[in-house]
Amino acid sequence: GAGVSQSPSNKVTEKGKDVELRCDPISGHTALYWYRQSLGQGLEFLIYFQGNSAPDKSGLPSDRFSAERTGGSVSTLTIQRTQQEDSAVYLCASSLVSWNEQFFGPGTRLTVL
Amino acid sequence: DQQVKQNSPSLSVQEGRISILNCDYTNSMFDYFLWYKKYPAEGPTFLISISSIKDKNEDGRFTVFLNKSAKHLSLHIVPSQPGDSAVYFCAASVTLTGGFKTIFGAGTRLFVKA
Repeated sequence: GAGVSQSPSNKVTEKGKDVELRCDPISGHTALYWYRQSLGQGLEFLIYFQGNSAPDKSGLPSDRFSAERTGGSVSTLTIQRTQQEDSAVYLCASSLVSWNEQFFGPGTRLTVL
Repeated sequence: DQQVKQNSPSLSVQEGRISILNCDYTNSMFDYFLWYKKYPAEGPTFLISISSIKDKNEDGRFTVFLNKSAKHLSLHIVPSQPGDSAVYFCAASVTLTGGFKTIFGAGTRLFVKA
């Protein structure tokens, strides 16, 4: 069956521009997660959606980062006024049960020039 | 402050031998632990997990051991195969009011030599 998909696969932007990253979770998965992996670093948890509950935003690194999940399915991660330190691979995951056996998408590689 | 540490950035093992990947954590509130495998240019893939109420979980060639008193877990792969060559991430989760948090280690790159 279809896995988690993310778009775009690669994004190059100029410093100061806004970017939107999209995630399509596995159908029926109620939990959705965003992570990022900077060069040489481990996975960094960003935000978590569970059903229709308010998201856990505790991992977002600054107020330039925001995410929404429409209709309990597709999610968009938005980074405003991008900075060079935002360059990373942004990974989305979904799971049927909270944090158990998360299925990851291929990621979006963001490069901020 | 790294709450989940994988102190070995890389590990090289001969095919057929055992691979042991280690992970240490500092927060005794973690109640669930997971291992993920990641190939280049792909997202991480869930491998195996263990609840904090257990000390061992086995799935085929993969076994995870948890030593809560030492705040240490390990992933054993036996026998190791060349296709196991990948980066392995250890992750620990803590249930919070209204949510949870997952912390990942920096990863260990495993090389299995044929």
